[in-house]
Amino acid sequence: QLQLQESGSGLVKPSQTLSLTCAVSGGSISSGGYSWSWIRQPPGKGLEWIGYIYHSGSTYYNPSLKSRVTISVDRSKNQFSLKLSSVTAADTAVYYCARVNSGYDCDYWGQGTLVTVSS
Amino acid sequence: QSALTQPASVSGSPGQSITISCTGTSSDVGGYNYVSWYQQHPGKAPKLMIYDVSNRPSGVSNRFSGSKSGNTASLTISGLQAEDEADYYCSSYTSSSTQVFGTGTKVTVL
Repeated sequence: QLQLQESGSGLVKPSQTLSLTCAVSGGSISSGGYSWSWIRQPPGKGLEWIGYIYHSGSTYYNPSLKSRVTISVDRSKNQFSLKLSSVTAADTAVYYCARVNSGYDCDYWGQGTLVTVSS
Repeated sequence: QSALTQPASVSGSPGQSITISCTGTSSDVGGYNYVSWYQQHPGKAPKLMIYDVSNRPSGVSNRFSGSKSGNTASLTISGLQAEDEADYYCSSYTSSSTQVFGTGTKVTVL
């Protein structure tokens, strides 16, 4: 059974860079032609797609976040990462990582991790 | 990109059927058969309920069904049960090779 687990700093200061990692277990991140995604949910609000990295290595980002986001894969560690720069309080959210199928649906999700932006 | 439009809330009595709509544009919902639906209980991660407009993943009850007409996709829950009370989100692939979620719908079982 595939499992995803987010990790990283739960508290980030304004203007700094948020960094999260999603460790994949129970399967190889390089097999099956899957893509890997980050999604966030501000407290009490809806889901917001951040971006994904295709199995080819190509990346696609939410236009509203594109200038601040980087998603990368470390195949040797079977994990992928999110970096979001110049954060503000509006970036406070639960961040989820997920596996993306060929139909662009997310079939496996991490449990989510709360990141708070505060000084 | 703008979020897909869903009703804020839908309610129904046990045993009834309810339908949640998800309206986009020809650049997302209307342009591709890549619409998915997610169920989210409080404090939990979303769970995939429907993919490719109308397909159910293994293990998802056949009380959940999906469809699409033009720029609007729909999720129908038949034989409503107490455990179906949750938030539901639609999602679609877009012409920019990105993904967009719906605004979310809170389902209440009366």
